[in-house]
Amino acid sequence: EAQVTQNPRYLITVTGKKLTVTCSQNMNHEYMSWYRQDPGLGLRQIYYSMNVEVTDKGDVPEGYKVSRKEKRNFPLILESPSPNQTSLYFCASSLRRAGAQGTDTQYFGPGTRLTVL
Amino acid sequence: AQSVTQLGSHVSVSEGALVLLRCNYSSSVPPYLFWYVQYPNQGLQLLLKYTTGATLVKGINGFEAEFKKSETSFHLTKPSAHMSDAAEYFCAVSDRGTGGFKTIFGAGTRLFVKA
Repeated sequence: EAQVTQNPRYLITVTGKKLTVTCSQNMNHEYMSWYRQDPGLGLRQIYYSMNVEVTDKGDVPEGYKVSRKEKRNFPLILESPSPNQTSLYFCASSLRRAGAQGTDTQYFGPGTRLTVL
Repeated sequence: AQSVTQLGSHVSVSEGALVLLRCNYSSSVPPYLFWYVQYPNQGLQLLLKYTTGATLVKGINGFEAEFKKSETSFHLTKPSAHMSDAAEYFCAVSDRGTGGFKTIFGAGTRLFVKA
């Protein structure tokens, strides 16, 4: 089954304790992205990756890191989480065929609800 | 900079009534436009998208949207609401000018359907 998986689905942690949220897709997609969803704000893009070893900042990258060492995986790293990073996080992927430029459908994972105390 | 405005954080309709969810965008270049739906405790699912060509786009579950460049709008409609349409809906734009790699979402509109 084609899907985007995220782990963990729920996480409660404390300020300053490094954490990683994993994201994996089995569709051989080139493009992957991380979003956070907050009430009244919709989804805001944190980072995206156009392909292996190619990443770029979205609109709210502060406090986050990403890496793309393999095509299928795109982990989100919070080196020193703070309470304002409490949110619902979504990973997404799409094919992004050469020349298609932004037209391909993004497939979303089920979300990770993070609480930072 | 691009932005997306969804008018109305909550919309309530009766079952069988017309659904109209409004979306306006701000962009110097007409972007790619999307509508996503999010059911409770789930990720987002694409309803429809406009990239080029015909400005009236049909999507899944009977939804459609019309791109109006002069009004910078991409409103979502469905002729007859069903109880299963109750969800949160997000309008999104993807910048055409820089390769479409960044996506901006609206704040979302929660649709309530009354029996």
